[in-house]
Amino acid sequence: NAGVTQTPKFQVLKTGQSMTLQCAQDMNHEYMSWYRQDPGMGLRLIHYSVGAGITDQGEVPNGYNVSRSTTEDFPLRLLSAAPSQTSVYFCASSYSPGAGETQYFGPGTRLLVL
Amino acid sequence: DQQVKQNSPSLSVQEGRISILNCDYTNSMFDYFLWYKKYPAEGPTFLISISSIKDKNEDGRFTVFLNKSAKHLSLHIVPSQPGDSAVYFCAAKVEQFYFGTGTSLTVIP
Repeated sequence: NAGVTQTPKFQVLKTGQSMTLQCAQDMNHEYMSWYRQDPGMGLRLIHYSVGAGITDQGEVPNGYNVSRSTTEDFPLRLLSAAPSQTSVYFCASSYSPGAGETQYFGPGTRLLVL
Repeated sequence: DQQVKQNSPSLSVQEGRISILNCDYTNSMFDYFLWYKKYPAEGPTFLISISSIKDKNEDGRFTVFLNKSAKHLSLHIVPSQPGDSAVYFCAAKVEQFYFGTGTSLTVIP
């Protein structure tokens, strides 16, 4: 049971480049989400999904796209990277989006946009 | 606007003493509150939670207190251990999760 995995661990992009941050979980969790962590800002929700085929926007969705074709995978796409997207990105999952459900986080992807 | 705030960026405590981490929130609709612990280069890990219908929850050395009238949440760690040194995030939930900015706890041996 690997839990929540994220790839890559670290990435450097040039402004305008695109890339996909991968997230996978093997716990059969319905709820998955993406956060970014910035100094002095805590963790902010980018997008989330309550199940395959269903996604919704979080607090800071601009510049990011997501899709959820399977229960296991929830990739985050940057179509045209900007320096403001330099951050540490965390993927998380939980069995359901209910109030009592704990989220399990991946190890993070550190992204630098030049 | 930050709905969940941790006003102390850092805290240092002697080993064996109590650590108290604080969190304030603005949205009275939050129905669930959590604390996460984060080590460098790792993702946050769940520590303890409390429903909005309770005012206290204990799990071993960790106790979370909720004061709804003051919109205040606190985490008590007793006794503090060097392995507790980490960044602690509080989070609150209504439809989605909102996180505070974190407090870096250092437990001095």
